[in-house]
Amino acid sequence: EADIYQTPRYLVIGTGKKITLECSQTMGHDKMYWYQQDPGMELHLIHYSYGVNSTEKGDLSSESTVSRIRTEHFPLTLESARPSHTSQYLCASSGWGREGSPLHFGNGTRLTVT
Amino acid sequence: GEDVEQSLFLSVREGDSSVINCTYTDSSSTYLYWYKQEPGAGLQLLTYIFSNMDMKQDQRLTVLLNKKDKHLSLRIADTQTGDSAIYFCAEDTGGFKTIFGAGTRLFVKA
Repeated sequence: EADIYQTPRYLVIGTGKKITLECSQTMGHDKMYWYQQDPGMELHLIHYSYGVNSTEKGDLSSESTVSRIRTEHFPLTLESARPSHTSQYLCASSGWGREGSPLHFGNGTRLTVT
Repeated sequence: GEDVEQSLFLSVREGDSSVINCTYTDSSSTYLYWYKQEPGAGLQLLTYIFSNMDMKQDQRLTVLLNKKDKHLSLRIADTQTGDSAIYFCAEDTGGFKTIFGAGTRLFVKA
């Protein structure tokens, strides 16, 4: 059961193109995140948001930008894609409950830049 | 600094128990999590443990927490081929930040 949706699932584009990766969640969570995942599995936080109109850069420097105009929507944009941007991008959100604040992940977008 | 470490690979036979280990550094962590990632998918919360607990059992899963040694383990009883996946240990350090380990790839041999 997916409450957080990412589109597209796969994207192959040429160098220099502008792209937007979409992420939406229906859980009303305030916090949202973008992670980049290496082929070797490790996750790197590239952007996060506390809520509407809040965006922050994560631990890994990224040439991408994000926006948070609506609670449910947290798109990631690359103005000019390069082969070094080829990776898996995972979007996540978190709220608060008896489990603490675990992250709920989308299924990811696998981006290939040729 | 904050760090979560776990071994990268584990191979077990079907029906055996799997134990995945993790160490963390932030003693102020309130919640510790195990996530599972299957091929082509995002991470899925598997189980969690609150920092004042020593053990938590949930069906085939047992989580053990040694707060003194900052050691967390996940035991999967009667491991099945469907358990083959990558398992991530994570600590919630408060605020926005969750620190993930690099993931342990579990191979289950039939």
